[in-house]
Amino acid sequence: IAGITQAPTSQILAAGRRMTLRCTQDMRHNAMYWYRQDLGLGLRLIHYSNTAGTTGKGEVPDGYSVSRANTDDFPLTLASAVPSQTSVYFCASSDGLAGYNEQFFGPGTRLTVL
Amino acid sequence: GQNIDQPTEMTATEGAIVQINCTYQTSGFNGLFWYQQHAGEAPTFLSYNVLDGLEEKGRFSSFLSRSKGYSYLLLKELQMKDSASYLCAVRGDDYKLSFGAGTTVTVRA
Repeated sequence: IAGITQAPTSQILAAGRRMTLRCTQDMRHNAMYWYRQDLGLGLRLIHYSNTAGTTGKGEVPDGYSVSRANTDDFPLTLASAVPSQTSVYFCASSDGLAGYNEQFFGPGTRLTVL
Repeated sequence: GQNIDQPTEMTATEGAIVQINCTYQTSGFNGLFWYQQHAGEAPTFLSYNVLDGLEEKGRFSSFLSRSKGYSYLLLKELQMKDSASYLCAVRGDDYKLSFGAGTTVTVRA
């Protein structure tokens, strides 16, 4: 089934630990994105990648890093988790940047940092 | 910066019509999207507007006025399954989406 998968579904993490959220898409989309969603704040862009091999910073990149070694995978790493990173994280992809290219979202990862 | 405003909550009766407004002030404009998000699920695409006017897709319609920085999503013949959050998102001149905080619509029988 075509789409985006994320792992894990949920995670409870001790502050200071390192964590990688995984995201894989099988639609051969060029662009991929990581958002966090917090109550009352909506979706905020953390990092993005317009094509394999390139990445860029979004609105709230501090404390996060990404890599894009191939078209399908776009992992998000928290080097040293802090409680303010407690959130729901969504990965998304789109075929292009402009025009009628909507973003498709994965099911999300619910992360709690204690 | 980007500023996108939409009401926090709306309540309507099954079978009725609800209009969700979205106003925006952004760095450039390359289209406006509406997404639906049921509780605990991922956002799913509803509509896209890049030119002024009304786009109709079944029970859902979306309107855009670029000069006023304004859009609305119209939900007709409301059904219980339409209870969800509706997200307004604007694509700026950097081709990134900026999202409003979302409007939670509750449909009552």
